[in-house]
Amino acid sequence: AQTVTQSQPEMSVQEAETVTLSCTYDTSESDYYLFWYKQPPSRQMILVIRQEAYKQQNATENRFSVNFQKAAKSFSLKISDSQLGDAAMYFCAYRRTGNQFYFGTGTSLTVIP
Amino acid sequence: NAGVTQTPKFQVLKTGQSMTLQCAQDMNHEYMSWYRQDPGMGLRLIHYSVGAGITDQGEVPNGYNVSRSTTEDFPLRLLSAAPSQTSVYFCASSPARRANSPLHFGNGTRLTVT
Repeated sequence: AQTVTQSQPEMSVQEAETVTLSCTYDTSESDYYLFWYKQPPSRQMILVIRQEAYKQQNATENRFSVNFQKAAKSFSLKISDSQLGDAAMYFCAYRRTGNQFYFGTGTSLTVIP
Repeated sequence: NAGVTQTPKFQVLKTGQSMTLQCAQDMNHEYMSWYRQDPGMGLRLIHYSVGAGITDQGEVPNGYNVSRSTTEDFPLRLLSAAPSQTSVYFCASSPARRANSPLHFGNGTRLTVT
């Protein structure tokens, strides 16, 4: 079975600074998709960014970007100019072409004013 | 556009009681799934479906049943609640034929079994 590992249970960042959340995954497939989700205290699951494995270019969405290293099976999330509203639990997810999604255990991000 | 609608938002059960968590989506998604979220364990897949009449087990299916009689609805049944089923439950859906599509989540149900 595929596994997704988030090795940082908790992270903190000063407001306006940059933070990187780590994610690694294990797969034998060459075609798959990766996602980062944000879960604020409201419990809602919000899509932050997605990456197709066949694309070499790293995805970017405003202040959020990824560093996708396919050979290393690494998919880290960089948050620039951190804001108080970025405080949340962040989950990395892997989707195989057969529909199933696999999630990491999450990283709790605290933003310090 | 309602998206994925989950009910109830909160539920307290006594050990041995049964109940059904409701999930409906209006996006015509073929793929629907149920996850449970526990501290330090992320989201674990309970059951999933790739279309009406088709269901399959995920990582933690014991104690739960599902059915998929229509594309829109995917209820989760707890047969005999146990304290170990205290958790937050999410229903999620996605188009099955667009593999780059993310999961669309409901707002979750917090279930407490006493």
